[in-house]
Amino acid sequence: EVQLVQSGAEVKKPGESLKISCKGSGYSFTSYWIGWVRQMPGKGLEWMGIIYPGDSDTRYSPSFQGQVTISADKSISTAYLQWSSLKASDTAMYYCARRDVNRGIDYWGQGTLVTVSS
Amino acid sequence: QSALTQPRSVSGSPGQSVTISCTGTSSDVGGYNYVSWYQQHPGKAPKLMIYDVSKRPSGVPDRFSGSKSGNTASLTISGLQAEDEADYYCCSYAGSYIWVFGGGTKLTVL
Repeated sequence: EVQLVQSGAEVKKPGESLKISCKGSGYSFTSYWIGWVRQMPGKGLEWMGIIYPGDSDTRYSPSFQGQVTISADKSISTAYLQWSSLKASDTAMYYCARRDVNRGIDYWGQGTLVTVSS
Repeated sequence: QSALTQPRSVSGSPGQSVTISCTGTSSDVGGYNYVSWYQQHPGKAPKLMIYDVSKRPSGVPDRFSGSKSGNTASLTISGLQAEDEADYYCCSYAGSYIWVFGGGTKLTVL
């Protein structure tokens, strides 16, 4: 069974750094792209970027380029999304999702709620 | 890339059919047959309902169907059931490993 399990909710202050994770299981982690999606409170889904864990090839949405860093550690089947300096406007639910070449974005993690507040 | 355009809300009675539209451009919806639809219940992760415009993953009822004409894709739900009440998002590939989502449509089952 394909599963993407994300790290738990985080509460941070503006200016702090953060790295959240997404661990894949039930499939060959290095053979599928993993994307990240933001959902701000009460809002829709926004594509942030995607990484291929096999060689760490990473592509960012123009809206998020330079704002976040996506990485992966294939030895532990885990993808990451990180911020160097959080802002209140980063408060959102963040989802990781697998991209299947034949089915598009198919499996999703359960989401990680990030709250940034002074 | 701008978000795809969806109606904010649609509604229907049990047993009826509803259609949700998703309008993009020739750079996304119109340029690729890679449109997906996701169902999201409150507090839950999105669930894939349709991919490649009209294909259904196993386990998704055949009451859900998808289509596309030009720059507009559509999701039709027939035989509405109470459990279909949720938010629905379209998503299209836009090239260069960029995907774009619609703003979401709230489906109310009356």
